[in-house]
Amino acid sequence: AAGVIQSPRHLIKEKRETATLKCYPIPRHDTVYWYQQGPGQDPQFLISFYEKMQSDKGSIPDRFSAQQFSDYHSELNMSSLELGDSALYFCASSSWGEPQHFGDGTRLSIL
Amino acid sequence: KNEVEQSPQNLTAQEGEFITINCSYSVGISALHWLQQHPGGGIVSLFMLSSGKKKHGRLIATINIQEKHSSLHITASHPRDSAVYICAVGSYSGGGADGLTFGKGTHLIIQP
Repeated sequence: AAGVIQSPRHLIKEKRETATLKCYPIPRHDTVYWYQQGPGQDPQFLISFYEKMQSDKGSIPDRFSAQQFSDYHSELNMSSLELGDSALYFCASSSWGEPQHFGDGTRLSIL
Repeated sequence: KNEVEQSPQNLTAQEGEFITINCSYSVGISALHWLQQHPGGGIVSLFMLSSGKKKHGRLIATINIQEKHSSLHITASHPRDSAVYICAVGSYSGGGADGLTFGKGTHLIIQP
């Protein structure tokens, strides 16, 4: 069965650069969630979208923005990257009221 | 903000043992999730509960809404069950697509 696809799997950036992470949900899933997991930390919720509209907002920094497109894929845009942004970024998708299915994550390293 | 507490943090057991992992949370939730995370980082959803009990193979999850408590049980544990088990809760956000608040996880090792 198709799973949640995230790209890229690994990304290396330098401080003050920008990055874009992409998430392709499971077909027919209308809801996307973004999470950030720092080294040795539990995941933190960033933001979610339902039917292309922002639904819930967590601890997403103002330097980050996200959107969900008409084909339901989502992108997380990160600017003015800092060392502390180094983390594993998970995307999850679901149908309304159903369990979230997680992608394998994008590992972002800031040098 | 919901506080999610899991216990134990670390658990080592012998193959075949019955395993229980506990989770408590501080405020009302829309649903509670049990997740499994392997060393490579991937997260797999095991259960989503809002009441009662669910069973899937050797895994059983229960929730007591009044006591704000859930348990994950593994029967006849096997070394392949070794992973981090995470309790996560969704709180009513109004928008519906509730982001999860995660517990710190239970690191389970099953020895042959």
